Amino acid sequence: AQTIHQWPVAEIKAVGSPLSLGCTIKGKSSPNLYWYWQATGGTLQQLFYSITVGQVESVVQLNLSASRPKDDQFILSTEKLLLSHSGFYLCAWSLGQGGEVFFGKGTRLTVV
Amino acid sequence: GEQVEQRPPHLSVREGDSAVITCTYTDPNSYYFFWYKQEPGASLQLLMKVFSSTEINEGQGFTVLLNKKDKRLSLNLTAAHPGDSAAYFCAVPNTGYQNFYFGKGTSLTVIP
Repeated sequence: AQTIHQWPVAEIKAVGSPLSLGCTIKGKSSPNLYWYWQATGGTLQQLFYSITVGQVESVVQLNLSASRPKDDQFILSTEKLLLSHSGFYLCAWSLGQGGEVFFGKGTRLTVV
Repeated sequence: GEQVEQRPPHLSVREGDSAVITCTYTDPNSYYFFWYKQEPGASLQLLMKVFSSTEINEGQGFTVLLNKKDKRLSLNLTAAHPGDSAAYFCAVPNTGYQNFYFGKGTSLTVIP
């Protein structure tokens, strides 16, 4: 069965510090991968998507970057956190057009 | 791109009553639609994927109706119970499944 694992579960980081969030999908090859950010209050914003390893497209940057170093891994990062980066980060996967889209359990980020 | 409007933002019903959440979208070529449930502090759980060819979709304790003419998607929870209290989101992907457009969510409270 396919599983999606996000790490870490939660982070408290200082403004100006770097950040790296990760997501791994097991049990499916060549999935579409997505990063979402959910602000306090609930609105979901898509940040990035990736159709294949090594290729990432930005939807909204928010001073973040993403990479897909392996077929089953998606990384979200920044060198300098802002207070506005606080929120809930969700990784998701699908098998492409027509398939369901499943979400990981998320990482709750607090920037202080 | 696609625009998705979700109403109402907040909904409170008594246990046993029905609850209706509606999304309207703008792209007449949209073919797939999704409803997600998010419990407090948790990730998004897929409730149902809907194809544009199916107007009535039955789930466990809920029905999803699609009106293509009016570009309206509705989630109808029949006989709501306290366990249905959560945020609900509709989502509409673009044709290539690169971008998913989410409604702003509906916070549902079911009063015992």
